[in-house]
Formats: sequence, C-alpha cells, structure tokens
Amino acid sequence: GAVVSQHPSRVICKSGTSVKIECRSLDFQATTMFWYRQFPKKSLMLMATSNEGSKATYEQGVEKDKFLINHASLTLSTLTVTSAHPEDSSFYICSASVPRDEAFFGQGTRLTVV
Amino acid sequence: AQKITQTQPGMFVQEKEAVTLDCTYDTSDPSYGLFWYKQPSSGEMIFLIYQGSYDQQNATEGRYSLNFQKARKSANLVISASQLGDSAMYFCAMRRPGGSYIPTFGRGTSLIVHP
Repeated sequence: GAVVSQHPSRVICKSGTSVKIECRSLDFQATTMFWYRQFPKKSLMLMATSNEGSKATYEQGVEKDKFLINHASLTLSTLTVTSAHPEDSSFYICSASVPRDEAFFGQGTRLTVV
Repeated sequence: AQKITQTQPGMFVQEKEAVTLDCTYDTSDPSYGLFWYKQPSSGEMIFLIYQGSYDQQNATEGRYSLNFQKARKSANLVISASQLGDSAMYFCAMRRPGGSYIPTFGRGTSLIVHP
C-alpha cells in the first residue's frame, strides 16, 4: 500500500516556541492531505485539509494562525504549531488519500510542550 | 449530518477466538465508504478493510471481515482467530459525502486479547 511518512515522531518543546511537523507521501502524489489531532483515548479530530498549491481549509474552531499548514509540493505538507503552549500538547497525525478511497496515515507526532 | 457510532468502549477476547466490533453509521448520502483502522499503542493508524456502499459482497481481508448490513446501517468488524498482537484501538470511519475522501471517525473500541 501507499506510504505516508511523518516526522518527527516525538518532540518536546518549550512554551512559546514553534514546532514544524512534516508529512510526506513517499510513493504517490497527494494533492490533498489531512491533519488530525488526537487526545488521549479519544478519536481523531480533523483539524484541516491541506491542498497542494492553495490555502488549507480549516475545521470550525481550529485557529489558522496557530496551526499553519503549508502544502508546497505534491508529496509534502507541513503543520507548524506556532507559539506552542502546554494545551497544544497532543498527538498529531496526517493522512493522504489515494483514488480508491483509502486514506493512509503517517506514524503520528507526539508533541509535548513544557 | 454524518455520524459514526461505536458503542463498545472496550472489548476482551481470548486468544484464537473470534470477536465482533460494532459500528453503526448515519448518512443521507447514497454513496459512501466505510473503513476500519487499527491503532496500536505506537499511535500509527493501520488500514484494515474497506466497504463501499454499493458493494454487493461483504469485504474480507485475511482474518478481518466486515459484516455490512445496509438496511440496519451497521458495518461491524469481525476478527477471526484473535492474536495477542490484535490488542489495539479500532476505529470505524466513513468517507464524507460530497466526493471528498475525508474520513469521519467513531470514538473507537479498545480491544484486549488475553492469552
């Protein structure tokens, strides 16, 4: 199946700093990628849809200035958590869809803001 | 509005036995897709099985099968011959209507396989 690589898998940062998370489709071109946030023992919450070459579409309640998404190429989307605070600590996971409706996920990034 | 319901927060099963994880859905769109994903403690989401709303037969993938009952709007996952490595969170998901491929997830079921 298709491979989506997400990096880093774990990151600890100081409050007030910014963190960038990368999501790459390794063996296919993904015009659309999705970013999710998952709280402990909870389901995945869609944050935004990342479209190559255009602005991301954010879900209601998600701060676009806080969570910057850039989809500069058909194989790379990045999520930058700006001015991170402890409440931003969470598990972030990206996915990309392929034509037969299947969504492949990255390995996820566990962000801890101290 | 589209909705996925997983009513079992946790399930236990003996190794080598079969287990059914429940999933019901609600949508007004005649065309939709249903997925099951496995999430082990490492966090990665592993695709297991897919069922299209117009598929005539229930989907099967190895030890996984999907009991798709369209009239009841249910898409239960059946895992046969459970293995210790099957212990994980399992999420049922539906592709959003309108042509997009964004899945909407249920709350998940935690499966624990006992030796």
